[in-house]
Amino acid sequence: EAQVTQNPRYLITVTGKKLTVTCSQNMNHEYMSWYRQDPGLGLRQIYYSMNVEVTDKGDVPEGYKVSRKEKRNFPLILESPSPNQTSLYFCASSFGRGEQFFGPGTRLTVL
Amino acid sequence: GNSVTQMEGPVTLSEEAFLTINCTYTATGYPSLFWYVQYPGEGLQLLLKATKADDKGSNKGFEATYRKETTSFHLEKGSVQVSDSAVYFCALSDRYSGAGSYQLTFGKGTKLSVIP
Repeated sequence: EAQVTQNPRYLITVTGKKLTVTCSQNMNHEYMSWYRQDPGLGLRQIYYSMNVEVTDKGDVPEGYKVSRKEKRNFPLILESPSPNQTSLYFCASSFGRGEQFFGPGTRLTVL
Repeated sequence: GNSVTQMEGPVTLSEEAFLTINCTYTATGYPSLFWYVQYPGEGLQLLLKATKADDKGSNKGFEATYRKETTSFHLEKGSVQVSDSAVYFCALSDRYSGAGSYQLTFGKGTKLSVIP
């Protein structure tokens, strides 16, 4: 089944404790992206990747890092999480400008 | 820059009522337009899309027409069902939004509740 998977689905952590949210897709998509969803703000792009080893900032990259060492994986790294990064995070992938397929989301709470 | 404005809701309708969710956009280039739907506890799914002026996207009884003259892409359904309860997002993808990015620019979402 074609899908985008994210782990964990739910995470509660404390300020400053490094964490990684994994994202994997099995559709051989070149393009992958991370969004965060906040009430009243909709979805905003954090980082994106056009292909392996090619990443760039989206609209709200501060406090996040990404890497793209393999085509299928695109982890989101929070080196020192803060409470304002409490949010619902979505990973997405696509062939170029085609339909973007979204993962099920990761709900992160930073205390 | 690019932006999408949609009615924020929430919208509550009775089953079999007519649905319209308004969406207007601004874009620097010639965007593709999308409606995504998010069911409770799930990720976003593409509902329909249109890539050029006057195109009509349709799926599951929903329709939206790309109106370049009014920069709009309103979502409609003639008869909603309880199972249509979800959050609906209008979005655009503009090939000119920087350095080859395929970024989707989203509206803030409209929560629809359909009651029996």
